[in-house]
Amino acid sequence: EDKVVQSPLSLVVHEGDTVTLNCSYEVTNFRSLLWYKQEKKAPTFLFMLTSSGIEKKSGRLSSILDKKELFSILNITATQTGDSAIYLCALPHGSGNTGKLIFGQGTTLQVKP
Amino acid sequence: NAGVTQTPKFQVLKTGQSMTLQCAQDMNHEYMSWYRQDPGMGLRLIHYSVGAGITDQGEVPNGYNVSRSTTEDFPLRLLSAAPSQTSVYFCASKKTGHLNSPLHFGNGTRLTVT
Repeated sequence: EDKVVQSPLSLVVHEGDTVTLNCSYEVTNFRSLLWYKQEKKAPTFLFMLTSSGIEKKSGRLSSILDKKELFSILNITATQTGDSAIYLCALPHGSGNTGKLIFGQGTTLQVKP
Repeated sequence: NAGVTQTPKFQVLKTGQSMTLQCAQDMNHEYMSWYRQDPGMGLRLIHYSVGAGITDQGEVPNGYNVSRSTTEDFPLRLLSAAPSQTSVYFCASKKTGHLNSPLHFGNGTRLTVT
């Protein structure tokens, strides 16, 4: 059974700290791994990872995939209060490229001033 | 460009009532889906559709019906609401056949069943 597990489930840090969020997975047919950020409303897309060892970077956020050990990490450096959100990890699952995603439980990050 | 539009934003139902959550997208996406989000459980797939006239069950389909008569619309029906269906519901869509095409989400419907 396909499974996505995120850790920690919640995290409280102070502005300026660096955080690392983890996502481990088991899927029958790996195609990609996606990270989303969810503030008050809809999840918004951050990164899609398909290859091991290649870092994706956007400003203070970066992410990397390890397909051998079946996990990904999302790093946020110099955190700001605006980084407070739920971070979701997801993978396509099922046959074909229908668009079905399986999500982890999410990591709730709170950044205090 | 409106993207994915969900209505209503909030709804309170009594146990046993029925209602329809509306979802429309204007991006000509083939794939549309409904998720529910509960604390500590992430997003769980209820139903999905890969095109007009085609629907299929996701992980938690019981108590919900869907139909896809047009490419743009994908309503979710609660037949007889139960307190266990209290949740936040998200509609999402994407282009199929594009590996690097992300899922686009609506802003959610917060449903409370008393």
